[in-house]
Amino acid sequence: SQQGEEDPQALSIQEGENATMNCSYKTSINNLQWYRQNSGRGLVHLILIRSNEREKHSGRLRVTLDTSKKSSSLLITASRAADTASYFCATDPTGNQFYFGTGTSLTVIP
Amino acid sequence: EAGVAQSPRYKIIEKRQSVAFWCNPISGHATLYWYQQILGQGPKLLIQFQNNGVVDDSQLPKDRFSAERLKGVDSTLKIQPAKLEDSAVYLCASSSETYGYTFGSGTRLTVV
Repeated sequence: SQQGEEDPQALSIQEGENATMNCSYKTSINNLQWYRQNSGRGLVHLILIRSNEREKHSGRLRVTLDTSKKSSSLLITASRAADTASYFCATDPTGNQFYFGTGTSLTVIP
Repeated sequence: EAGVAQSPRYKIIEKRQSVAFWCNPISGHATLYWYQQILGQGPKLLIQFQNNGVVDDSQLPKDRFSAERLKGVDSTLKIQPAKLEDSAVYLCASSSETYGYTFGSGTRLTVV
């Protein structure tokens, strides 16, 4: 399967803590993206990391990519209640299509 | 820039009825995608258009689903006849060569 698989499936933390979620995939990729989805809403693009990159930052988000292990991680620092959402990784094996995993459901408790 | 527009937001139909969804992508985005997201799962690609041509429709159940992209801009996705298992959120996305996708808010379909 070309889908990413997120781990854990669900995560519950206190506001202010850091949240880490992981994505593993099976085939080689060109790019990997992370998306956020609030309940009942569309997907919001967070970060794209290319296969030749190892780490990217955007605000409180940090994404790492280890192509040798076929894995990526998303770290959200100093979490807020508004970060409560589902987070998906999407892998791009061909250069123009993305395949989504099943997601990590994050709950940040105020 | 304006986002990806989808309509309707919600639709409830009986099984065996027909339904159509509409998507207006971001202006200038050549690539348009339709995804199906069943509750609790990640989005699954149904069809990808490049301008008005189909790039990939390998996961589209062609016996009941059809899609077209008019003049390489707007797109419609149709289901005829609908089954209970078609209940899902149907997401449209568009992209340019630059950077990622932009998703619409989706259409939530309930088949009863």
